[in-house]
Amino acid sequence: DGGITQSPKYLFRKEGQNVTLSCEQNLNHDAMYWYRQDPGQGLRLIYYSHIVNDFQKGDIAEGYSVSREKKESFPLTVTSAQKNPTAFYLCASSSGASRWGTGGYEQYFGPGTRLTVT
Amino acid sequence: KQEVTQIPAALSVPEGENLVLNCSFTDSAIYNLQWFRQDPGKGLTSLLLIQSSQREQTSGRLNASLDKSSGRSTLYIAASQPGDSATYLCAVRGSGTYKYIFGTGTRLKVLA
Repeated sequence: DGGITQSPKYLFRKEGQNVTLSCEQNLNHDAMYWYRQDPGQGLRLIYYSHIVNDFQKGDIAEGYSVSREKKESFPLTVTSAQKNPTAFYLCASSSGASRWGTGGYEQYFGPGTRLTVT
Repeated sequence: KQEVTQIPAALSVPEGENLVLNCSFTDSAIYNLQWFRQDPGKGLTSLLLIQSSQREQTSGRLNASLDKSSGRSTLYIAASQPGDSATYLCAVRGSGTYKYIFGTGTRLKVLA
């Protein structure tokens, strides 16, 4: 089955430690995204990549870093510089071909990783 | 800067009722608009996608409309069921960008 996997589902870290969240997709999608979701707020874009070896900052990139060395993988590192890292992190991917027609660019999401930093 | 608003923030209806969820956006230069469903503690599930050249899209009991000139989209759910209880989010992708802007969602509860 094609889809997006995120691991782990729950992650606990001590303040001051860097942590890397995994995101893998086997949908052959070119574009991948990282979002953060906080209670009562919509999703906010952290980073996105529309092609291998290239990525762009989203609206809240400070304290985060990413890499895109392979088409299917887009790991997110939450660094100690991120002031409020506790949140639900969601990875997504999209491509031009979708069930809604050419150029649809439908976003598909993984199950998320809940990060708690104490 | 694109802003996306969803009203109401929460909605509670009896089973069987037809209902409409609203999504408003400030910049009409969009590439597409997507509706999602999110269950508590889970990722988002794509429901419908409307491209900027389309006026509506249908999938089963769901129908989404798009009026770019007025900056509005509606998601119509026919004959609601308790299994429809979830948070519904809309997201807009701007023209010439890969970025999506999300609304804060409408939390729907369908009572049996």
